[in-house]
Amino acid sequence: NAGVTQTPKFRVLKTGQSMTLLCAQDMNHEYMYWYRQDPGMGLRLIHYSVGEGTTAKGEVPDGYNVSRLKKQNFLLGLESAAPSQTSVYFCASSYFAGPYEQYFGPGTRLTVT
Amino acid sequence: ILNVEQSPQSLHVQEGDSTNFTCSFPSSNFYALHWYRWETAKSPEALFVMTLNGDEKKKGRISATLNTKEGYSYLYIKGSQPEDSATYLCAFPISGGSNYKLTFGKGTLLTVNP
Repeated sequence: NAGVTQTPKFRVLKTGQSMTLLCAQDMNHEYMYWYRQDPGMGLRLIHYSVGEGTTAKGEVPDGYNVSRLKKQNFLLGLESAAPSQTSVYFCASSYFAGPYEQYFGPGTRLTVT
Repeated sequence: ILNVEQSPQSLHVQEGDSTNFTCSFPSSNFYALHWYRWETAKSPEALFVMTLNGDEKKKGRISATLNTKEGYSYLYIKGSQPEDSATYLCAFPISGGSNYKLTFGKGTLLTVNP
C-alpha cells in the first residue's frame, strides 16, 4: 500500500503560469481533500470531494480548481499562478465522512515567482 | 468560521519530562475532535479521533482526554523522548454529515532536548 501519494514534490512557477497537482490514494477512500499550509496559518482546506465525480469548496478555494474523475485521484489546478499561492500543498483522504482519520500525502512545495 | 485554539504555541522540555498541552474548541454542536502528530519534513499522522465526552485515548506514552461540555481536550506525553519532537495539531469538524470538514488549530510545537 502506497497510501496517499502526491506529484510533483517540488515546483517553481512564474506568475501567470498554470499547473496541476496530482493526488492518488490506493485505500479505496471516498473522501479526498486539498489543504495548503502557510507559516503561522496552519492547515487550511482548499477544496474537497465526497466521492467520484463530486467536488466542493473549502475555506480558501479562490484561484484553484479541482476534479475527481476517478475515485483514487484528486487533481488540484492553478490556472494562473500568483505569488500568494506559494505554499506547501497537502492532499488527504478518509474512508468516509465523519470521525475517521485523514491520511495525508507527503506534500508539494510550490513557489510562484 | 469556528476557532480552534491550541496552547502553548511551543514548548521545550528535557528528555524524561512529562508534558501536556491544550486544544480548545466551540462546545456547541460537537461531532468529534482529532489529534495529529506532524514531524518536520513529514506529513501529519493521525493520533486519535475522540467522539464522546469523558473519552480517554492512549497510544504508547501519549494519551488524550476530552471534555465536550467545556470545549477542551488535553494531550499528555509521559516521559518525553527526543523522537516525540513534532508539532501536535488538533482539528474540529466545522460541519457534520456528508460535509464533514476539519478546521485545524495552529499546533503546539514540542521540542524534547536530550
